[in-house]
Amino acid sequence: GQNIDQPTEMTATEGAIVQINCTYQTSGFNGLFWYQQHAGEAPTFLSYNVLDGLEEKGRFSSFLSRSKGYSYLLLKELQMKDSASYLCAVLNSNYQLIWGAGTKLIIKP
Amino acid sequence: DAMVIQNPRYQVTQFGKPVTLSCSQTLNHNVMYWYQQKSSQAPKLLFHYYDKDFNNEADTPDNFQSRRPNTSFCFLDIRSPGLGDAAMYLCATSADTGTGGYEQYFGPGTRLTVT
Repeated sequence: GQNIDQPTEMTATEGAIVQINCTYQTSGFNGLFWYQQHAGEAPTFLSYNVLDGLEEKGRFSSFLSRSKGYSYLLLKELQMKDSASYLCAVLNSNYQLIWGAGTKLIIKP
Repeated sequence: DAMVIQNPRYQVTQFGKPVTLSCSQTLNHNVMYWYQQKSSQAPKLLFHYYDKDFNNEADTPDNFQSRRPNTSFCFLDIRSPGLGDAAMYLCATSADTGTGGYEQYFGPGTRLTVT
């Protein structure tokens, strides 16, 4: 089978740094996506990694290791508006997007 | 601004009463998707269109149908909604040029309530 594993929930403090991990087992790999989803809203695209390494975009960075089937999303200088679910999704060899259930991130003042 | 639009944002229907959800896009993307998402779960792909080619997921119930009359519009028809069909329905698009453009852009969603 194909599956994406990520923690169900994480808590962090405003101004701090948090790392959300994602491990995957899929039939082939054509890239990994991170999406942000606020409660009751649609997912919004954050990042796409297809090669190993770290991609930085402002306060958000995403890392990929294909050999380990592992990615993380790093959020720096956390703000209250970062409270949301973060979904990891992998594009497999058939170009199907396999979704994780998401990590609910709670930011405390 | 180029975007994905869904109407209505909230839809209430009665058990067994057909309902149609609509989606339009100004991104001129090749691919359009319909997802069902229930609380705290991953989005579940129902169908997607690559241009006019329709792709039905194997586990999508026959109760769900879709139409894409042109590049810009796509519809989701639920023929006989059950209580278990209450969910957020998300429309998404991607450019999918064959060598890139795989990221999906979502509309705001339609929250369906079945009474």
